[in-house]
Amino acid sequence: DAKTTQPPSMDCAEGRAANLPCNHSTISGNEYVYWYRQIHSQGPQYIIHGLKNNETNEMASLIITEDRKSSTLILPHATLRDTAVYYCIVRVDQGGKLIFGQGTELSVKP
Amino acid sequence: DVKVTQSSRYLVKRTGEKVFLECVQDMDHENMFWYRQDPGLGLRLIYFSYDVKMKEKGDIPEGYSVSREKKERFSLILESASTNQTSMYLCASSSGGRDSGYTFGSGTRLTVV
Repeated sequence: DAKTTQPPSMDCAEGRAANLPCNHSTISGNEYVYWYRQIHSQGPQYIIHGLKNNETNEMASLIITEDRKSSTLILPHATLRDTAVYYCIVRVDQGGKLIFGQGTELSVKP
Repeated sequence: DVKVTQSSRYLVKRTGEKVFLECVQDMDHENMFWYRQDPGLGLRLIYFSYDVKMKEKGDIPEGYSVSREKKERFSLILESASTNQTSMYLCASSSGGRDSGYTFGSGTRLTVV
């Protein structure tokens, strides 16, 4: 599975968009990009995933560059409850295992 | 609401005890996983299973074993608990399809004294 690189921490003002970057320059053509988040003392929560096209759901948007070497998770209107560690993962989905990196610790401030 | 349920939220055991951590999912998922999470080390995969009675070693299987007798249940076993197994243990499941995400349980915080 391709490795990912994320900044260790970011701050965001409440109500503003949070843009979390992820580099995955060695991604293969059949590897999906997944995003999860983990709020303190809870299990990770699935947010969104994509292969080539940009994706949007009720939680977030995922923007994948045309060369697929990087992506950005966008939380359009961050709230205090979005404070969490966000993990970007790429993997070949054959029921395969998820390998977590260190993630980005997002702090949403009032 | 679909769920992965871990039997205990907090557990305290003594060194040398045999410990069972239970995980049950109600989504008819094929695949189940056990991770442990430690400060500074992140989530690390211990064991996983793609089917009943099947198991695969993850990145840190030493000191652990697993059991999957039924599709919905995946048990993690610490044969002889040690203090370095004090950790947060997380169970997850997935359908295994090309487009599937993972659902995690809330975790079991195990302390070995």
